[in-house]
Amino acid sequence: NAGVTQTPKFRVLKTGQSMTLLCAQDMNHEYMYWYRQDPGMGLRLIHYSVGEGTTAKGEVPDGYNVSRLKKQNFLLGLESAAPSQTSVYFCASDPGGAADTQYFGPGTRLTVL
Amino acid sequence: GQNIDQPTEMTATEGAIVQINCTYQTSGFNGLFWYQQHAGEAPTFLSYNVLDGLEEKGRFSSFLSRSKGYSYLLLKELQMKDSASYLCAGRDSNYQLIWGAGTKLIIKP
Repeated sequence: NAGVTQTPKFRVLKTGQSMTLLCAQDMNHEYMYWYRQDPGMGLRLIHYSVGEGTTAKGEVPDGYNVSRLKKQNFLLGLESAAPSQTSVYFCASDPGGAADTQYFGPGTRLTVL
Repeated sequence: GQNIDQPTEMTATEGAIVQINCTYQTSGFNGLFWYQQHAGEAPTFLSYNVLDGLEEKGRFSSFLSRSKGYSYLLLKELQMKDSASYLCAGRDSNYQLIWGAGTKLIIKP
């Protein structure tokens, strides 16, 4: 049982480049989330999904797109990276109940120059 | 608006007890979570409270007062490995987690 995995672990981009972050979970969870974590700030929700084929905007969705074509995978895309998107990105998943804890992936550290 | 407040940093001594406070304001309330996050790692679940009172799990306990919008995490018999950030998160009426910025706990020998 790998839990939640993320690829890549580290990436450096130049302004204007694009990339896709991949999240995979093997716990059959319905809900999946993408967060960013910046120094001195709490985790901020970018986009989330409540099931295969669904996506919804979170608190800070601008500049990002997502897709959930398969239940176990949740992709986060940056179409034209900006320095403000330098951050640590965490993917999480949970079964969808109010008391259910979120399980996090190890994170992707992204730097945009 | 929705808000979670917790101290930025605390220092405690190995073997002692420390209490980390959290106040919350959420649109609706579906529980309060505490997570631990070591530097460079992902957050991991510690506790969940939805009813008033104290939940105990070994050396860690968490308390909730819904009328006061207040929670605390109590860590006993502190060990060096407890040096980490502790994140408080409230679940709102849309079942989204609203996160505090975290409290960095420094343990000194």
